[in-house]
Amino acid sequence: LAKTTQPISMDSYEGQEVNITCSHNNIATNDYITWYQQFPSQGPRFIIQGYKTKVTNEVASLFIPADRKSSTLSLPRVSLSDTAVYYCLVGEVHKFYFGSGTKLNVKP
Amino acid sequence: DGGITQSPKYLFRKEGQNVTLSCEQNLNHDAMYWYRQDPGQGLRLIYYSQIVNDFQKGDIAEGYSVSREKKESFPLTVTSAQKNPTAFYLCASTAGNTIYFGEGSWLTVV
Repeated sequence: LAKTTQPISMDSYEGQEVNITCSHNNIATNDYITWYQQFPSQGPRFIIQGYKTKVTNEVASLFIPADRKSSTLSLPRVSLSDTAVYYCLVGEVHKFYFGSGTKLNVKP
Repeated sequence: DGGITQSPKYLFRKEGQNVTLSCEQNLNHDAMYWYRQDPGQGLRLIYYSQIVNDFQKGDIAEGYSVSREKKESFPLTVTSAQKNPTAFYLCASTAGNTIYFGEGSWLTVV
């Protein structure tokens, strides 16, 4: 089971860049790293996925160092609507360890 | 629109009753999953199915049962053997290694 470790919570202000780091020391060679966002009483939504180096899409960037034992989700210029729980997941889907995720609180 | 539909959104169960949560997907995905989420906690895997007529237990399968008679459908039955069923239940399906979730169903024991 590819267990991950994330901060339990983070606070930020609107317009700031937020970086959430996840540790996954036992990541396997073929494992991808995927980040999801969850709002209360909703299913998690896919944000971004990567294998190595840097991946960027319209909502976030994902930075993965060479040893792949950690990854950082970067959210540029957050808004109040980015207040949610963020999960870092590694490996095959049926082995995903969701944990409690990181609760991001964006303040005005 | 393509997606995953869960019903009902809210369900109440009396002690000793079995209840079934519906999950339908029109994404043509082979694999489907059921998760349970308790307040303030992460998701825990109940059952998953990678192909029709086959399914596997997840981490917390006791007190639950599933069937996969059609590719599109993966219903979850919460049996009376599940002593603490009050939770948020999420159905999902996968394309490759990306998982797509339904909107969830709240089950409350009354």
